[in-house]
Amino acid sequence: QSVLTQPPSASGTPGQRVTISCSGSNSNVGSSSVCWYQQLPGTAPKLLINKNDLRPSGVPDRFSGSKSGTSASLAIGGLRSEDEADYYCAAWDGSLSKLVFGGGTKLTVL
Amino acid sequence: EVQLVESGGGLVQPGGSLRLSCAASGFTLSGDWMHWVRQAPGKGPMWVSRINSDGSSTGYADSVNGRFTISRDNAKNTLHLQMNSLRVEDTAVYYCAHAVDGSRNDLDIWGQGTMVTVSS
Repeated sequence: QSVLTQPPSASGTPGQRVTISCSGSNSNVGSSSVCWYQQLPGTAPKLLINKNDLRPSGVPDRFSGSKSGTSASLAIGGLRSEDEADYYCAAWDGSLSKLVFGGGTKLTVL
Repeated sequence: EVQLVESGGGLVQPGGSLRLSCAASGFTLSGDWMHWVRQAPGKGPMWVSRINSDGSSTGYADSVNGRFTISRDNAKNTLHLQMNSLRVEDTAVYYCAHAVDGSRNDLDIWGQGTMVTVSS
């Protein structure tokens, strides 16, 4: 059971906008910044969003992040087939003194 | 090219030891926090350990505390993870990861991973 809760799956058609949620608690999402990672099959995770809503250089602006209280969200607009991947949220948990990840959301582009 | 390259993985029996290394190229590790993250087959990432820029502060997941030791050699631009008393449940791909400048936990550069298999 992951400390951060994500839906196990999400889907959309090309061009659509999809949102993936990440629910935590006051000790992690509520008090730390959230990152989002994209993992394509057989590859290492890639940083998509850090500090809740910042896009590292090279990440398309179709990807956006937000946070409110103990929940965070990743939105992907203009869905493309290459967005099909696993997505993970992560945050530092001050009570557990560890970096915690969500269980992951598998995004399918129909 | 900015990259991290792990090495040292392999097959080991329960109770055995391995030392993983992570070499950085195209940038210097010395000013930044570094992490180890592992991923068991078919599972999501799990944080293992982190170390600050000069090695004076470290942290570990409960499941590895007392068995694993993270260290760094800034002169050689490398990160290490000494793994002792290995268990079957330690089987995973182990990634080293660099934290964004000025951040402790936002992981912007990841290695390709090295597989550790603990089995008799």
